[in-house]
Amino acid sequence: LAKTTQPISMDSYEGQEVNITCSHNNIATNDYITWYQQFPSQGPRFIIQGYKTKVTNEVASLFIPADRKSSTLSLPRVSLSDTAVYYCLVGDRFSGGYGGSQGNLIFGKGTKLSVKP
Amino acid sequence: GAGVSQSPSNKVTEKGKDVELRCDPISGHTALYWYRQRLGQGLEFLIYFQGNSAPDKSGLPSDRFSAERTGESVSTLTIQRTQQEDSAVYLCASTERGSYNEQFFGPGTRLTVL
Repeated sequence: LAKTTQPISMDSYEGQEVNITCSHNNIATNDYITWYQQFPSQGPRFIIQGYKTKVTNEVASLFIPADRKSSTLSLPRVSLSDTAVYYCLVGDRFSGGYGGSQGNLIFGKGTKLSVKP
Repeated sequence: GAGVSQSPSNKVTEKGKDVELRCDPISGHTALYWYRQRLGQGLEFLIYFQGNSAPDKSGLPSDRFSAERTGESVSTLTIQRTQQEDSAVYLCASTERGSYNEQFFGPGTRLTVL
């Protein structure tokens, strides 16, 4: 089970780019890296997933170095509405999910991002 | 299409009472998960259904907790003789069989035990 470590909180201002780094030193060969976003009073929402190098979608980019021992979620030009908790998860997407034997997701405490005007 | 829905959105109950929480997954999603989230914490896995069966119930915190799923759709999480430590947000998620990449979460039920 690959454990993840990410900052507890981050502050930013509107219009800035935010980078949240997650460490996963014991990531396994078959593991993928996935990020979820959770707004207050809502369930988590899938943002992005990747295996190596760079992945980009309409919401964010995910940068993964060659050794895959860390990953960085990049949010371009954040707005107040990006204030949320961001969770980094690592696990095998084929054999049973993110560390959980039943395909369940294993969430840490995440990074609380606060965007200020 | 419709997402995962949960009811009630809020439930306040007295210690010792039983509560039932309901989850309606996305149509066609055979896998369904229940999680619990205490204030300021990450999510704690409770139970998983593949179809109508729950292969492993070891994630349930005590024998006061039970869950069932009927017709490969609606699931109910029941907490008997509620305690104050049961106060939390209970989240349900569903996903297609074999697709562990993305779980779709409902808005949760906030349970407060007085």
